[in-house]
Amino acid sequence: AQSVAQPEDQVNVAEGNPLTVKCTYSVSGNPYLFWYVQYPNRGLQFLLKYITGDNLVKGSYGFEAEFNKSQTSFHLKKPSALVSDSALYFCAVRPLFGNNRLAFGKGNQVVVIP
Amino acid sequence: GAGVSQSPSNKVTEKGKDVELRCDPISGHTALYWYRQSLGQGLEFLIYFQGNSAPDKSGLPSDRFSAERTGGSVSTLTIQRTQQEDSAVYLCASSSSSGPAYEQYFGPGTRLTVT
Repeated sequence: AQSVAQPEDQVNVAEGNPLTVKCTYSVSGNPYLFWYVQYPNRGLQFLLKYITGDNLVKGSYGFEAEFNKSQTSFHLKKPSALVSDSALYFCAVRPLFGNNRLAFGKGNQVVVIP
Repeated sequence: GAGVSQSPSNKVTEKGKDVELRCDPISGHTALYWYRQSLGQGLEFLIYFQGNSAPDKSGLPSDRFSAERTGGSVSTLTIQRTQQEDSAVYLCASSSSSGPAYEQYFGPGTRLTVT
């Protein structure tokens, strides 16, 4: 079964500095990878996805993620963090073929310090 | 357009009572998912509906949990004889297809507290 690891519970970054949120995955065959963000008392919002093609994927709010097949990683990045980026970030994976489950990581709390 | 809506937003119930949680997916979305979010535990898949196909119930934690989707639209998640460990936020999501490339759109969730 597919799974996701987000190794850091919390990521602290100063406003204006680069932000990276790490994600590694395990899946049979080729993966479809997603990042979602959750603001307090809100549902999850889709940020970006990797399906095929370029390993660097650009998404909403200036976020991007890089797919690395050899390292089975899909790290989320933003060149310059904003205080408003403070939220809970979830990485998710599902297989190209097989079940339709989307497996989520436990989430990373990002705190952007003014 | 309208997003996924869930009701109630908060539910407090006594241990042993039954509860029903409702989800209205985005109009036209054929796939509907239920997840449970517990503090520090990420999202746990519960059940998945796609059109008229039999649902994938493999994530339901016990036989106290059940769900139905009427008319291919609204879904209800029912928890019978609630236990304190059922306390969590229950999230519903829908997507325009069940294909793996399609992102899911989430509702705001129902926070269930079992006392």
